Amino acid sequence: EDKVVQSPLSLVVHEGDTVTLNCSYEVTNFRSLLWYKQEKKAPTFLFMLTSSGIEKKSGRLSSILDKKELFSILNITATQTGDSAVYLCAVAQGGSEKLVFGKGTKLTVNP
Amino acid sequence: GAGVSQSPSNKVTEKGKDVELRCDPISGHTALYWYRQSLGQGLEFLIYFQGNSAPDKSGLPSDRFSAERTGGSVSTLTIQRTQQEDSAVYLCASSPQGLSTEAFFGQGTRLTVV
Repeated sequence: EDKVVQSPLSLVVHEGDTVTLNCSYEVTNFRSLLWYKQEKKAPTFLFMLTSSGIEKKSGRLSSILDKKELFSILNITATQTGDSAVYLCAVAQGGSEKLVFGKGTKLTVNP
Repeated sequence: GAGVSQSPSNKVTEKGKDVELRCDPISGHTALYWYRQSLGQGLEFLIYFQGNSAPDKSGLPSDRFSAERTGGSVSTLTIQRTQQEDSAVYLCASSPQGLSTEAFFGQGTRLTVV
């Protein structure tokens, strides 16, 4: 059975801290891995990773994929209260247009 | 439209009633997806439309669930004889060329079955 596992499930930090969110996967015919930020209801796209070892970066957020060890990490540096959200990891498979999601990591950034 | 629009945003229904959830995709997007997010869970795939046809409906949990799409645009997800375990947020997404990796999500419909 295809699965995506995220850890930790929840995390509470103070503003300015750096956090690392983890996503491991076991899926058939891996195509790419995606990270989303979910505030309230609608997930918004952060990154798509297809190749191992190539870091994607957007401001204070960065992510990297390890296809040999089947995991990805999402780093957020100098966290702000606006980073508080659920971060979702999803995997796309070849031959299918459905995404397999993890349960998410709920990040709370306190002032 | 500017984004994926879903209605209603919230729906409370009595157990056993039928409900219809609507999704208006981004104009010109050919692909449309329905997902369900139960409390504390990740998104669970339900069905995928390309145009008006559904090449993948493997995620529909039972025959009480059905979906259609007309005119390559609006989609309706229907749940018959609702049960309490159907309570969840139902999210719709659309993508321009049928790649799930390019999908934009709507705000969802929170369904509560009492």
